[in-house]
Amino acid sequence: DIHLTQSPSTLSASVGDRVTITCRASQSTTNWLAWYQQKPGKAPNLLIYMGSSLESGVPSRFSGSGSGAEFTLTISSLQPDDFATYYCQHFETFGQGTKVEIK
Amino acid sequence: QLQESGPGLVKPSETLSLTCTVSGGSIRRYYWSWIRQPPGEGLEWIGHINHSGSTNYNPPLKSRVTISVDTSKNQLSLKLTSVTAADTAVYYCARTRYDYIWGSYRPLGFDFWGQGTMVTVTS
Repeated sequence: DIHLTQSPSTLSASVGDRVTITCRASQSTTNWLAWYQQKPGKAPNLLIYMGSSLESGVPSRFSGSGSGAEFTLTISSLQPDDFATYYCQHFETFGQGTKVEIK
Repeated sequence: QLQESGPGLVKPSETLSLTCTVSGGSIRRYYWSWIRQPPGEGLEWIGHINHSGSTNYNPPLKSRVTISVDTSKNQLSLKLTSVTAADTAVYYCARTRYDYIWGSYRPLGFDFWGQGTMVTVTS
């Protein structure tokens, strides 16, 4: 089974910062990777699918890139609403999450 | 919209039973998953089902899980037997995008989620 490792586990950033979260897989996932945002007490929200496709309604400051075994979620200019936990997902497996907190 | 329902408390060794009601669209066009999240922890996929009742389960849970669908009610159900404290979690149902890859239907993403329901296993 594939194992997904996200880094960092926690990230401190300020509004306006460019933020990058990495998801590394234990073997190639081709481009079958999705990213989610989860706020406390809420269900996750799909941001990116197939590695780099932006889900409808998601702000364009979110982008995904990568292929094979390494993927990146980038927030180009962090907004107050973006402080949350982010998860990557490949098929039935989720990464452990990256918490983006206020610096 | 997806709405989970069921008991919030379950005794150890008993069976956890939840229902997810799908409204605003047919249950027939997609796969539907159950996903859980223990308090303060990450997400764990439990399994999925399609409208014809074809299922796939997470191997560590497979012996204890049954997911079923009632298309007449636009509902899916989750049963988890022999629960322990480790099964305490928020349980979500989610609409699942899928594709047929390497001989089986695989979830590519979960695009609509219920609000989740907290289930606590306690005596």
